[in-house]
Amino acid sequence: AQSVTQLGSHVSVSEGALVLLRCNYSSSVPPYLFWYVQYPNQGLQLLLKYTSAATLVKGINGFEAEFKKSETSFHLTKPSAHMSDAAEYFCAVSGAGQGGKLIFGQGTELSVKP
Amino acid sequence: GAVVSQHPSRVICKSGTSVKIECRSLDFQATTMFWYRQFPKKSLMLMATSNEGSKATYEQGVEKDKFLINHASLTLSTLTVTSAHPEDSSFYICSARDVLAEYEQYFGPGTRLTVT
Repeated sequence: AQSVTQLGSHVSVSEGALVLLRCNYSSSVPPYLFWYVQYPNQGLQLLLKYTSAATLVKGINGFEAEFKKSETSFHLTKPSAHMSDAAEYFCAVSGAGQGGKLIFGQGTELSVKP
Repeated sequence: GAVVSQHPSRVICKSGTSVKIECRSLDFQATTMFWYRQFPKKSLMLMATSNEGSKATYEQGVEKDKFLINHASLTLSTLTVTSAHPEDSSFYICSARDVLAEYEQYFGPGTRLTVT
């Protein structure tokens, strides 16, 4: 079975500050991990993914995430927040043999203050 | 890049009627499409997995006779909400998995359904 826990339903940062969104997973098979961003009334856009290659993954818009097996974590970071980063962020897990099914975390709403 | 479209983007229907939502992969073939439901301020809940040419696989608790899914071609899947009730009002999102990209799903823009 697989599951994802995102710590913090809402995170607020100042513009230019570090963004850290936390994601922990549980998986009985080697996981594939994803971060998606959703703007209001829109679908999901892939930020980055981990599929058993490099543990530090760089994505779009300056985001990156590090896969830490020992901590079962895949936290999302960005060195300097921009106002346009304000959105809902979802962490998701899948795995080999899962038929491509994604299990999503609860989501974290990121607010960016001027 | 891979693009998935949904139609309509927004629909209002009366209780008791049925409404069909289309999901299309525009520039790639998708043997598998997924349908999600999202409540306000909530995460995505997988409703069903749609495989081209075969019956959809529904998640536990999702009524297959209520939410009819058809995946007639490698680029089109449809979700029909039958005998809609106000509690069916929600944001429905589809995603499609490229046959050439095992790990990745591409999401449609979503359909806002309001049942009055």
